[in-house]
Amino acid sequence: DQQVKQNSPSLSVQEGRISILNCDYTNSMFDYFLWYKKYPAEGPTFLISISSIKDKNEDGRFTVFLNKSAKHLSLHIVPSQPGDSAVYFCAASARGAQKLVFGQGTRLTINP
Amino acid sequence: DGGITQSPKYLFRKEGQNVTLSCEQNLNHDAMYWYRQDPGQGLRLIYYSQIVNDFQKGDIAEGYSVSREKKESFPLTVTSAQKNPTAFYLCASSPGLHQPQHFGDGTRLSIL
Repeated sequence: DQQVKQNSPSLSVQEGRISILNCDYTNSMFDYFLWYKKYPAEGPTFLISISSIKDKNEDGRFTVFLNKSAKHLSLHIVPSQPGDSAVYFCAASARGAQKLVFGQGTRLTINP
Repeated sequence: DGGITQSPKYLFRKEGQNVTLSCEQNLNHDAMYWYRQDPGQGLRLIYYSQIVNDFQKGDIAEGYSVSREKKESFPLTVTSAQKNPTAFYLCASSPGLHQPQHFGDGTRLSIL
């Protein structure tokens, strides 16, 4: 039972344009959502998070949007840079729980 | 610098042997986690510990064991009962509820 889904295994974007990564979830008990970035042979690095009481959180070039009615969140990267090429994971945790449930990841490639 | 150290980075195991992966953190975090990542998949939770001398099974605990005798350390043993141990193993820690988890750089385990 995949509670967190990233339906796009890969995404290719031109440098300087906007990258939009999507994530859907099924568990209505999830109330905290995160995005991680991962390079090969390294651990994931935390990027940005959002609580279910908000619908948007912004940090520099990164913005996360949460649509609770659609059980959907997205990560926007503007402008995209070559160093953004990596695998991006969304993750969620339920009320009162510390453990995270991860999506399968989306490989983002930024083309010059 | 505070962080999470996983060792070794690469580990080889013979069939039928147990092997222990090390995870140490100096972030003073209460909670620690072990994940497994297989190619093209997200991170799956093996075990987690919210406090010293306490731990809980995650989604794929069969064939694994852990201990949490010290706050800084959360070693994972891959036993011979784990039928498909070849994977990338990631350790993480977090300060508490609704706080991002911080990851080590992983250990890649291979079967000889």
